[in-house]
Amino acid sequence: EAQVTQNPRYLITVTGKKLTVTCSQNMNHEYMSWYRQDPGLGLRQIYYSMNVEVTDKGDVPEGYKVSRKEKRNFPLILESPSPNQTSLYFCASSPSAGEDTQYFGPGTRLTVL
Amino acid sequence: KQEVTQIPAALSVPEGENLVLNCSFTDSAIYNLQWFRQDPGKGLTSLLLIQSSQREQTSGRLNASLDKSSGRSTLYIAASQPGDSATYLCAVRGYSGAGSYQLTFGKGTKLSVIP
Repeated sequence: EAQVTQNPRYLITVTGKKLTVTCSQNMNHEYMSWYRQDPGLGLRQIYYSMNVEVTDKGDVPEGYKVSRKEKRNFPLILESPSPNQTSLYFCASSPSAGEDTQYFGPGTRLTVL
Repeated sequence: KQEVTQIPAALSVPEGENLVLNCSFTDSAIYNLQWFRQDPGKGLTSLLLIQSSQREQTSGRLNASLDKSSGRSTLYIAASQPGDSATYLCAVRGYSGAGSYQLTFGKGTKLSVIP
């Protein structure tokens, strides 16, 4: 089944404890991205990747890192999480960066205490 | 910077009614526009994708139109059902420089269909 998977789905952590949220797609898509969704603010792009080893900042990149060493995986890293990073995170992929439908993962609900 | 607005923020209709959700965007230089559905606590499901050269797309009871020059799109849902209750998100994809494209979302319309 073609899909985007994220792990974990739910995570509660404490301030400053490094964490990684994994994202994987099995559709051989070139383009992958991360979003966060907050009440009243909607979905905002954190980082995106147009292909392996090519990443760039979205609208809200502060406090996050990403890497794209393989085409299928695009992990989101929080080196020192803070409470303002408590949010619902979505990974998405599409065949290319331009005109294609984006496919979203199920989301990761992160709480930073 | 692209801004996407969805009106209304919430809508409640009786089952069986036809309804229209609105989306407007400030920069008409877009590549495409996509409508998504989001159920509570769940991910986003793509409903319809309209390329910038198209005027409308249809899927079952859903019809989405695009007027790029005026910066507007509508999602028409025919014969609404309780299962249509969800939040509907509009997103536009535009060129953000250096060969990259960015998807900008509206804040959504929360639809409740009353049996």
